[in-house]
Amino acid sequence: DQQVKQNSPSLSVQEGRISILNCDYTNSMFDYFLWYKKYPAEGPTFLISISSIKDKNEDGRFTVFLNKSAKHLSLHIVPSQPGDSAVYFCAASPWSGNQFYFGTGTSLTVIP
Amino acid sequence: DAGVIQSPRHEVTEMGQEVTLRCKPISGHDYLFWYRQTMMRGLELLIYFNNNVPIDDSGMPEDRFSAKMPNASFSTLKIQPSEPRDSAVYFCASRPSGTGNFNEQFFGPGTRLTVL
Repeated sequence: DQQVKQNSPSLSVQEGRISILNCDYTNSMFDYFLWYKKYPAEGPTFLISISSIKDKNEDGRFTVFLNKSAKHLSLHIVPSQPGDSAVYFCAASPWSGNQFYFGTGTSLTVIP
Repeated sequence: DAGVIQSPRHEVTEMGQEVTLRCKPISGHDYLFWYRQTMMRGLELLIYFNNNVPIDDSGMPEDRFSAKMPNASFSTLKIQPSEPRDSAVYFCASRPSGTGNFNEQFFGPGTRLTVL
């Protein structure tokens, strides 16, 4: 049973435009959320995180928004660049745990 | 630092054979995690260790799977006997205690396993 869902397997965006990747979760005990980025033949690398006490966290071109009431988070990339083309995984965890629940990933393609 | 090292990078085996995947965590990291990635289920945590001790193995799919961590610099994930449905990419990850990004885990490049 998937506790973290990424319902869009793929997304294509023009270079310079905004990319919005979405993630939904079902467990209200989740307090900490991360986004990982994965290139082919490499392991996932940490991108950005947010805790449940916040509703927004920014890091350069990347912003994560959290809507706890809707159990929804999103990753915004502005402006999108071809090097952003990768698979993005959303993950969630209870604050005190090491048990991370990952989504199935969204493959982003940024078209030059 | 070389990062998390996994071997082999690719493994092709026949159903019924024993498969052993290996992982060397980043030096100084005292947590080690084994994940399996499939298209249907994404990344699933199989087991994790803290200071070489298995803490949670509830994600291990069945008794055919076992994991060990004999010392702080080495862990194995073994599948015996292997089945075609075990075909997936297996990742190892590690992290130190008390990281600034709380639970950020550092992943290895993965082992792509194909069971024929």
